[in-house]
Amino acid sequence: GAVVSQHPSRVICKSGTSVKIECRSLDFQATTMFWYRQFPKQSLMLMATSNEGSKATYEQGVEKDKFLINHASLTLSTLTVTSAHPEDSSFYICSARDQGITDTQYFGPGTRLTVL
Amino acid sequence: GENVEQHPSTLSVQEGDSAVIKCTYSDSASNYFPWYKQELGKRPQLIIDIRSNVGEKKDQRIAVTLNKTAKHFSLHITETQPEDSAVYFCAAFSTGGFKTIFGAGTRLFVKA
Repeated sequence: GAVVSQHPSRVICKSGTSVKIECRSLDFQATTMFWYRQFPKQSLMLMATSNEGSKATYEQGVEKDKFLINHASLTLSTLTVTSAHPEDSSFYICSARDQGITDTQYFGPGTRLTVL
Repeated sequence: GENVEQHPSTLSVQEGDSAVIKCTYSDSASNYFPWYKQELGKRPQLIIDIRSNVGEKKDQRIAVTLNKTAKHFSLHITETQPEDSAVYFCAAFSTGGFKTIFGAGTRLFVKA
């Protein structure tokens, strides 16, 4: 199946710093990518929908100034967690929508963020 | 807003038995229903999906049924094996909001 990569896989940072996470679709073009956050033993919570060439659409309760999303090309979306705090520690997973024949979402491997 | 409810939250079965996980969705504009399996520390993996123009789909030991009128869909795993143990998430994709909403997940334990 289609491949979505995510980088880095793990990151540990100090409180107050910013962290950028990249999501790439490797063998298809994705006009739409999604960013999810998953806390331990919980479900995936949609944070925002990233659309190539336009502003991201954020879910209710997600601070757009804190979670900056950029979807500059059809294969790359980035999520920047600004001024990270310990409560931002979580598993961040992106997915890319392949609008080909199957119109399926493919998930990246996830990024585990730990804020000290 | 859109909501997907999933039951049960935990399911324990004996190897060889069947397992059934049920979900309901609220957004009538939903037309695509994927099921994901997530093993500990790993990404969710698509195991089966169904579209709104189909009532049932089967892939070997896994089947999914959809009742659009009742807004219910279910995952059925037959002849369960220990390697089926994982967290399973149902999801619904809405053409209205163009987004996928996930259920809370079901932790399946298959006892050998």
